[in-house]
Amino acid sequence: QKEVEQNSGPLSVPEGAIASLNCTYSDRGSQSFFWYRQYSGKSPELIMSIYSNGDKEDGRFTAQLNKASQYVSLLIRDSQPSDSATYLCAVNGGGNFNKFYFGSGTKLNVKP
Amino acid sequence: EPEVTQTPSHQVTQMGQEVILRCVPISNHLYFYWYRQILGQKVEFLVSFYNNEISEKSEIFDDQFSVERPDGSNFTLKIRSTKLEDSAMYFCASRRTTADTQYFGPGTRLTVL
Repeated sequence: QKEVEQNSGPLSVPEGAIASLNCTYSDRGSQSFFWYRQYSGKSPELIMSIYSNGDKEDGRFTAQLNKASQYVSLLIRDSQPSDSATYLCAVNGGGNFNKFYFGSGTKLNVKP
Repeated sequence: EPEVTQTPSHQVTQMGQEVILRCVPISNHLYFYWYRQILGQKVEFLVSFYNNEISEKSEIFDDQFSVERPDGSNFTLKIRSTKLEDSAMYFCASRRTTADTQYFGPGTRLTVL
């Protein structure tokens, strides 16, 4: 069974701070990784995708991937109350049709 | 911007009844998926569909479940005889290639009484 692990939180940060969300995965053959944001009762919304080791930046978001350590993270700079949500890490499962394996999500609270 | 759509947004049914959840994937996408999320739990893969056939299914996707692409746009999930434990959010997703991200629909909340 391929596993994706996340700290469930809640992670509380003050407005304007950096939020750091972490994810580890068990399948060393995984090649692509995704961060989704999910508001309560809503569907997952793509934040970032990352395929290569290192950092990838998009606005206030930076994804970091370390395949040797089987670790992927998401940094949110200048956190806003509207960033308060559950952040899901998803790993492409490999094979021909590449289903996603999801972590259970980290709940982020950004306090004004 | 194209998006995945799902209907209905909320379905309430009695245990033992059949339900059909409908999805319209993004038009140039070729790979289709159903996931479910029981309240408070993680998103779980149910089934993937490509070239008009199931390509992979999970242990959850037993004989009570079926999928179909009846025309060029719709992608449906049927549950033949619903159980209480089928109550969940059901998400449809699609992607153009297996290297792309998956785009999720807004979900159907299924409540089995």
